[in-house]
This record gives sequence, structure tokens and C-alpha cells, in this order.
Amino acid sequence: DQQVKQNSPSLSVQEGRISILNCDYTNSMFDYFLWYKKYPAEGPTFLISISSIKDKNEDGRFTVFLNKSAKHLSLHIVPSQPGDSAVYFCALLSSGSARQLTFGSGTQLTVLP
Amino acid sequence: ETGVTQTPRHLVMGMTNKKSLKCEQHLGHNAMYWYKQSAKKPLELMFVYSLEERVENNSVPSRFSPECPNSSHLFLHLHTLQPEDSALYLCASSQDSTSGLAIFGPGTRLLVL
Repeated sequence: DQQVKQNSPSLSVQEGRISILNCDYTNSMFDYFLWYKKYPAEGPTFLISISSIKDKNEDGRFTVFLNKSAKHLSLHIVPSQPGDSAVYFCALLSSGSARQLTFGSGTQLTVLP
Repeated sequence: ETGVTQTPRHLVMGMTNKKSLKCEQHLGHNAMYWYKQSAKKPLELMFVYSLEERVENNSVPSRFSPECPNSSHLFLHLHTLQPEDSALYLCASSQDSTSGLAIFGPGTRLLVL
């Protein structure tokens, strides 16, 4: 059973509009949350992160929101640009001594010009 | 070269072949990882090395054999693979094994015939 779920395998948005990517988790033992972005033929690259003591972190066009009670993480991109088209993975880091990243299955974002 | 590099980028092998994947990091990190990404699935952690010692092995079949001769290099030796092992194999490194911020290589696309 997957502990981290990205229920939308794909998302298309118009250039200039907001992209919202979602991630749900079941385990309360995660204490650090990351988003990675992946272009074809490249490895994932780190985008933005948030710790469990915060509910929002903003970096330019990218904002990550964390709702611990709902076990829900989201990434907002505004305004969306065609260069944002990529696969986005959420990755959650478990707390304790055996810290390990658990990835979602990814969402393919396509930003249409 | 900077960052995390992987060779080869693409590999086609028969089920009776033996091959090795190579990963090198130029970041001074102490932890290195092998991940497997199959189509439409989350990244799966295969192996974790910290200071050249294996600290995690997520029940990976013995036909995959990792080797970490020093903190900058990581190998994945492959033998008698199955067609279902065809996937993207990603190497990553981080400052230490408790850090969530992993830097990924570009991956090796493996096809087993």
C-alpha cells in the first residue's frame, strides 16, 4: 500500500494561470516534505521543501502548502510557464533514526502556450 | 564535471549478461543511493550507502549487487536480470544519510531483453 499518493497522473494548464499539484500521505511519521521536478532524460532536481513546523513556504513562483491534519501537501506554480512542463514528484522524509525519502508516483504537468 | 554523473546513459542487455552501472558524485557528499523508477510508479529506493557502508537494502533481489569503493563512487552490478527489471536506474547523493536533500544523476535507462 502506497504511503505517498499523487492521484493525478497528469495536469494541463494554460500559460499564465496557476498550476496546483497535490500529494497525500498516510503516515504521520514524515517531518520534511520536498518537491522534485523531472525533465525527460534527466534525473529529478530539487525544487522546494517545507518542514513539518510550517504550513507554507514560498520561493518565487513556487509555493508549497502543508496541511498536517489532512495529511496533504500541495505545490502552487503561478504564473505557469511552458518551461515548467515536467513531471513533479513529492518526496517525504521520515523522522527518527531511519530517515528515508518516500516518493509519490509523479504528476506530468503540461503548460500550454 | 560537477554534480552526480552516471554511465552508461542507456543499456540494453540480455538476461544472461553481466553489466555494471557506474555513478560518481563530485559534491563531497557522504551518502549515496540507488533508486529504480519503473513506468507510472514511484521511485523505489534500492540501496543506501553512508561513508561507504551499506545502511539500507530494501529487499532487492540478489541479481542486483551494489558496490561502494569510496565515498565518491557507487556501482550497481547486474547479472541474470529479468525483462521486468527494465527501468530507469537513478543514482543520488546527499550530505549524509539523514539529509532529505538528495541530488540525482541523470539515470541509466536499462532494457532487458
